[in-house]
Amino acid sequence: AQSVTQLGSHVSVSEGALVLLRCNYSSSVPPYLFWYVQYPNQGLQLLLKYTTGATLVKGINGFEAEFKKSETSFHLTKPSAHMSDAAEYFCAVSRLGSSNTGKLIFGQGTTLQVKP
Amino acid sequence: EAQVTQNPRYLITVTGKKLTVTCSQNMNHEYMSWYRQDPGLGLRQIYYSMNVEVTDKGDVPEGYKVSRKEKRNFPLILESPSPNQTSLYFCASSLSQVGGGTQYFGPGTRLLVL
Repeated sequence: AQSVTQLGSHVSVSEGALVLLRCNYSSSVPPYLFWYVQYPNQGLQLLLKYTTGATLVKGINGFEAEFKKSETSFHLTKPSAHMSDAAEYFCAVSRLGSSNTGKLIFGQGTTLQVKP
Repeated sequence: EAQVTQNPRYLITVTGKKLTVTCSQNMNHEYMSWYRQDPGLGLRQIYYSMNVEVTDKGDVPEGYKVSRKEKRNFPLILESPSPNQTSLYFCASSLSQVGGGTQYFGPGTRLLVL
């Protein structure tokens, strides 16, 4: 069975500091990995995804993530936090193989706070 | 504008009173899905549909029904709501169920069952 663990339900950084949100997954087959962002009172918006190919994936708003198979990780980073980055971030994996239903399996979410 | 819409956005109801949350997408997507979001649990899939008249249970289907009579619409039905169905609900759609496809989410429906 696939699962996703996000380390840290709340992360606080200062404006201009590095953002690092951690995500580890478990999967018996090669995963497709996603990061979504949820701003207050809004739906989820795709930041970036990894399917195949280059393991360093660049997304919107300056975010990027690296797929590390040996560490089963897909951590999200941004070199310099902006106040507008304050939101909740979800890591997700989709199921592959014969039981592919298209379902996204989400982590618990990490709330990013950006301090002035 | 390509989008997924949900109605209503906010709903307060009482136990046992049937309700329907509508979901519509204008992207001609085959795959649609409902999730519920609860604090500390992330999002969990309730039901999904791979195409018209094809629906199946997700991880937490108890107490919910769905239908897919048209490609664009995928309503979520709570026949007899209970307080444990108080949650934030999201509808999502994608071109197909193939794993790498991007799912587009609606704005959410916040439901309170008293």
